[in-house]
Amino acid sequence: DVKVTQSSRYLVKRTGEKVFLECVQDMDHENMFWYRQDPGLGLRLIYFSYDVKMKEKGDIPEGYSVSREKKERFSLILESASTNQTSMYLCASRLSGPREGYTFGSGTRLTVV
Amino acid sequence: GDSVTQMEGPVTLSEEAFLTINCTYTATGYPSLFWYVQYPGEGLQLLLKATKADDKGSNKGFEATYRKETTSFHLEKGSVQVSDSAVYFCALSGPSNTGNQFYFGTGTSLTVIP
Repeated sequence: DVKVTQSSRYLVKRTGEKVFLECVQDMDHENMFWYRQDPGLGLRLIYFSYDVKMKEKGDIPEGYSVSREKKERFSLILESASTNQTSMYLCASRLSGPREGYTFGSGTRLTVV
Repeated sequence: GDSVTQMEGPVTLSEEAFLTINCTYTATGYPSLFWYVQYPGEGLQLLLKATKADDKGSNKGFEATYRKETTSFHLEKGSVQVSDSAVYFCALSGPSNTGNQFYFGTGTSLTVIP
């Protein structure tokens, strides 16, 4: 069964810590994405990558960075975690092409205290 | 630009009731259209899709028809179950073959009561 795997389901970190969220897909998809989901705000795109070592800012990149050293892995980095980054983080991947949908991971619920 | 608008929730239905969740879109060209479902505490799962006008996507008793004339892709189910309680997202994929041209609606929460 093809899948997108996020390394942690729940994470609690302290303010100011550097936080790494890892995502791995086994479908050989070119494109990978990080979203955050907050009540009443829907899904907001943080960053996406369309190839190894390539990245593009989404709608809310401030306070985040990403790394894609291998095709199957896309990491989201919170350089200095803050309480307003407490959220559900969703990783997704897709093939290129207008008919292709997303495959999502199960999500990481991050709490910054 | 491209966008998706879906009906606001929350929606509460009794078991075996008929479900409609409205979704309309704005797009240049000919997008593909999708419905995703998110169960509590989980990521989103693809429920169904349609890639051209008049296509009907279906899965698990849910259906949606791509209506170009009304720019709509409404989700329907004839008889909902408690297990259908979830958040439903309408989405569209723009016509480009590269980059990110994927747009989500804000989600509609459905609760089905026994």
